Amino acid sequence: AQSVAQPEDQVNVAEGNPLTVKCTYSVSGNPYLFWYVQYPNRGLQFLLKYITGDNLVKGSYGFEAEFNKSQTSFHLKKPSALVSDSALYFCAVRDVRPDRGSTLGRLYFGRGTQLTVWP
Amino acid sequence: GAGVSQSPRYKVAKRGQDVALRCDPISGHVSLFWYQQALGQGPEFLTYFQNEAQLDKSGLPSDRFFAERPEGSVSTLKIQRTQQEDSAVYLCASSLTPGGITGELFFGEGSRLTVL
Repeated sequence: AQSVAQPEDQVNVAEGNPLTVKCTYSVSGNPYLFWYVQYPNRGLQFLLKYITGDNLVKGSYGFEAEFNKSQTSFHLKKPSALVSDSALYFCAVRDVRPDRGSTLGRLYFGRGTQLTVWP
Repeated sequence: GAGVSQSPRYKVAKRGQDVALRCDPISGHVSLFWYQQALGQGPEFLTYFQNEAQLDKSGLPSDRFFAERPEGSVSTLKIQRTQQEDSAVYLCASSLTPGGITGELFFGEGSRLTVL
């Protein structure tokens, strides 16, 4: 079965400092990994994904994520945080070996990490 | 509109009442997903449509939950005889690709259901 863990419920960082939001995963095959962001009163928005290729993936709003197969991690990073980055961040993994009747594109989400960037 | 639209945004129901939640996906999107997001949790898969066909309903928690997408566009999630444990935000997402296999889903703002 696929699963994702986000070990931190909250991350607090000062504006201008680098930020990291952690994610580890468990899959039965090759991982397809995603980050989504949820701003208050808004729907989830796709940030970036790792399917194959370079371990460092670049996404929207200056975010990037590093895939580490040996550590089964896919941490989200940004070199310089902005106050406007404050939001709820979700890591997700795609079902790569679905059970019969299950959808290949079904996503399994972590519990989310609340990022607060203070001025 | 340009995005996924859900209605109502907020619904308060008395226990035992039936509710219907509507999703209007992005025009032309083949795939439509429903997810349930309980307080403090990540979204959990409920069901998937490819056009009008419901190909996966393995995440529906009970037979009180029913979803349809009769013309391959608008979808309705119906919950019969609501229980307090049904209180959650119900998210609809659509994708251009079958199965949403690219992983890039477009989510609506959700319908927050509170069952008293």
